[in-house]
Amino acid sequence: KAGVTQTPRYLIKTRGQQVTLSCSPISGHRSVSWYQQTPGQGLQFLFEYFSETQRNKGNFPGRFSGRQFSNSRSEMNVSTLELGDSALYLCASSPQPLNTEAFFGQGTRLTVV
Amino acid sequence: QQQVKQSPQSLIVQKGGISIINCAYENTAFDYFPWYQQFPGKGPALLIAIRPDVSEKKEGRFTISFNKSAKQFSLHIMDSQPGDSATYFCAASNSMRNSGYALNFGKGTSLLVTP
Repeated sequence: KAGVTQTPRYLIKTRGQQVTLSCSPISGHRSVSWYQQTPGQGLQFLFEYFSETQRNKGNFPGRFSGRQFSNSRSEMNVSTLELGDSALYLCASSPQPLNTEAFFGQGTRLTVV
Repeated sequence: QQQVKQSPQSLIVQKGGISIINCAYENTAFDYFPWYQQFPGKGPALLIAIRPDVSEKKEGRFTISFNKSAKQFSLHIMDSQPGDSATYFCAASNSMRNSGYALNFGKGTSLLVTP
C-alpha cells in the first residue's frame, strides 16, 4: 500500500507570493490533516479535513487555507507569503474520522526568500 | 500554549543503554498518546501509542509508561542502538472530539546513540 504522498518536495517562493501544496492520502483514508514544522515552534496543527469538510482548524492566520476533494486528496494554500512561513509542511492521513492513527508523508519543504 | 511538554530536549546514550524521554500534559480530555520517530529529511513515523486505560505498553524494545494521575507518560528505548538516533516526539489528542481531530505535539527530543 502506498504511503502518504506530498508534492512538491521542495519549493522556493518569494515574499508576497502564494503557494499550493498537495497531499494524496493512503488509499482508503478519508481524514487528512496538515501540520507546520519549524525548529522554533515544532509541529503545529494547521487544519483537518474529512469528507471534504474542514472539521478543525489550528491557530494560524487566514492566509493559510485548505480543501479536500471527493477522492480525499487535499491541498493547502498559503497566500501573501512571509519569511516566517518557511517550514516543513506535513500532511497526515487517518482511515476514519475519529481514528487516532495518523500516518505522515515526507513533507514539502517551503523556503520563502 | 504548549499543551504537551517534553523533556529532555536532547539525549546522548551509549549503545546498549536505556533511553528515557518524558512528556506531561494538562488537558484531561486527551485520551490517545502516540510517540513518533523522525529521521532527517523524513516525515514523522508512528512508533507506539497508548490509551489511558493501561499503564504500560511494550512493542519490541520500545515501552510507553503512562501515569494518568500525574498526567505524565514516557518512552523507554531498551538496548538503544545507533540506528535509533533520531528525533522523538510525543503527542496527545482527544480522539472523541466530534469537531475534528488534531495531534498536540511536544517539542521533540534529539536522541544520539553512540557506538
